[in-house]
Amino acid sequence: KQEVTQIPAALSVPEGENLVLNCSFTDSAIYNLQWFRQDPGKGLTSLLLIQSSQREQTSGRLNASLDKSSGRSTLYIAASQPGDSATYLCAVSDTGRRALTFGSGTRLQVQP
Amino acid sequence: DTEVTQTPKHLVMGMTNKKSLKCEQHMGHRAMYWYKQKAKKPPELMFVYSYEKLSINESVPSRFSPECPNSSLLNLHLHALQPEDSALYLCASSRGGLAELGNEQFFGPGTRLTVL
Repeated sequence: KQEVTQIPAALSVPEGENLVLNCSFTDSAIYNLQWFRQDPGKGLTSLLLIQSSQREQTSGRLNASLDKSSGRSTLYIAASQPGDSATYLCAVSDTGRRALTFGSGTRLQVQP
Repeated sequence: DTEVTQTPKHLVMGMTNKKSLKCEQHMGHRAMYWYKQKAKKPPELMFVYSYEKLSINESVPSRFSPECPNSSLLNLHLHALQPEDSALYLCASSRGGLAELGNEQFFGPGTRLTVL
């Protein structure tokens, strides 16, 4: 059964810092990996999708990388802003079932 | 139109009530999902519909009954719920059916359910 782990569970940084969020998964037979953002009490906003054949994806200040063989992905946020404060969730889609398995998330607080 | 809508936003119900949650998307997506999210926990998959057919049921109790009347609409019928069923219920959709490529999932804002 796929298990997804995110480290750290919480992170507080001053505005302007570059930061890295980590995601690891136990079964490397994934179809794709998706990073989401969730504000308190709200739904999920898709940030980046990486197909299993890709190594990275970029959108604005966000860059996500994927190393399928080692079961790892990182989300890099450049020049963090207070508006980036949210919970960031990593989710993988298995080759077989294709349904998403989520990590527990990283709660990010960017201090002004 | 690139959004998934959910109604109602909030719902309070007693344990003997019957209510329904509604989810709608007009992106032409053919896979639709229900997730349950407890406070400070990640979403957990409940049901998946692919081409209006139930493809995955994650051993969800029968007091939750999904329905997909057409490719744009997904309902979750609730009956005789327990207080521990209180949670945020999220709907999502993705392009193509379950077995097709590029199934990036798009989520709605959720329905906050409280069972008294």
